[in-house]
Amino acid sequence: GQSLEQPSEVTAVEGAIVQINCTYQTSGFYGLSWYQQHDGGAPTFLSYNGLDGLEETGRFSSFLSRSDSYGYLLLQELQMKDSASYFCAVQGSYGQNFVFGPGTRLSVLP
Amino acid sequence: DVKVTQSSRYLVKRTGEKVFLECVQDMDHENMFWYRQDPGLGLRLIYFSYDVKMKEKGDIPEGYSVSREKKERFSLILESASTNQTSMYLCASSPDRAGGEKLFFGSGTQLSVL
Repeated sequence: GQSLEQPSEVTAVEGAIVQINCTYQTSGFYGLSWYQQHDGGAPTFLSYNGLDGLEETGRFSSFLSRSDSYGYLLLQELQMKDSASYFCAVQGSYGQNFVFGPGTRLSVLP
Repeated sequence: DVKVTQSSRYLVKRTGEKVFLECVQDMDHENMFWYRQDPGLGLRLIYFSYDVKMKEKGDIPEGYSVSREKKERFSLILESASTNQTSMYLCASSPDRAGGEKLFFGSGTQLSVL
């Protein structure tokens, strides 16, 4: 089976940095992805880690440690529009079988 | 841009009805997925398909079936809708090649079963 854990809620202020952690237990592992979902919207892809280390995409970075079954999403220079739910997802094999975590609701305060 | 289109944004059905949720993607993706999303539970995989006429069960297939007769279309079927199937249903697709680590989602169908 597969299971992922994330904090349910995180709150931060504009301009701050926030880290959302994800730990996973999976029978197969190909990569870890992050998705953002605003209320009423569809999840949209943010970042992907197939190898250990840090991937940077603008204000967002994602990290993976396969030996620790752990990853995180780092959001810098927070903006009000970053208020959303963030999901980590494990891909069991290439192109297939994505399993999502329960999601972390991020609230950015002025 | 990849477009994944779900046929209905909101749907209201009665208990026992047969319900069809349709999903079409326009980027020739091999893989298609159906998830349901419930508060506090995240997205749970119902079924996925990696080729025409092929299907694989996800984590919660009970009470659902799927059909993939054409590459671009993946249908989710509730044979006899029940109130516990009230949920947001999300369809997604991904390529079976470079870029296969990214899922593209439709805008979702909020299904209410009364």
